[in-house]
Amino acid sequence: AQKVTQAQTEISVVEKEDVTLDCVYETRDTTYYLFWYKQPPSGELVFLIRRNSFDEQNEISGRYSWNFQKSTSSFNFTITASQVVDSAVYFCALSEKKVGGSNYKLTFGKGTLLTVNP
Amino acid sequence: EAQVTQNPRYLITVTGKKLTVTCSQNMNHEYMSWYRQDPGLGLRQIYYSMNVEVTDKGDVPEGYKVSRKEKRNFPLILESPSPNQTSLYFCASSRRLDLDYGYTFGSGTRLTVV
Repeated sequence: AQKVTQAQTEISVVEKEDVTLDCVYETRDTTYYLFWYKQPPSGELVFLIRRNSFDEQNEISGRYSWNFQKSTSSFNFTITASQVVDSAVYFCALSEKKVGGSNYKLTFGKGTLLTVNP
Repeated sequence: EAQVTQNPRYLITVTGKKLTVTCSQNMNHEYMSWYRQDPGLGLRQIYYSMNVEVTDKGDVPEGYKVSRKEKRNFPLILESPSPNQTSLYFCASSRRLDLDYGYTFGSGTRLTVV
């Protein structure tokens, strides 16, 4: 079963539009961590945010905001007033214990390609 | 500067010719891991290491080897590369074994096997 689902494969918007990237996760752990990473066209993976399972406060950082809802197992990411530089692939990820063991792994969604057109 | 350094950034090789992709981190992290990224499949874990001399398979370990002789280094070895190993590879490290702060990633290695 897929643990992290990013249902939107590609999104295209016009500059200054707001856009929300969806992330739905599945875990049996009570303690887990969620992340968003950005992969610009240059290819590197850039950390954006982490959230632990006990902290459901939404967070805002400039034009970026994140909405974490345990009730719906979602951790959505909104970019307000999008800019061309926001064009990238965005990955949602979940850290949890590996099945049958005590080791942890980071499981990534398949990513959402966001294109912001001028 | 705290970082994960991968080399090379780009590599084209022929089927069957052994190669090593190096990975080094300067943050004294215990946890290191290799991922491959393929279109439509996202990032998949190849191998990981919890400490020196402690390594374990990830989701797609076939065709790869790793070693962790020193804490800072975690090379990825392809003994006999095949075209289906053409991919973008990332090395990553984490300061804690429960990955509560996620990963610091290297810049990636784009490998083409012809």
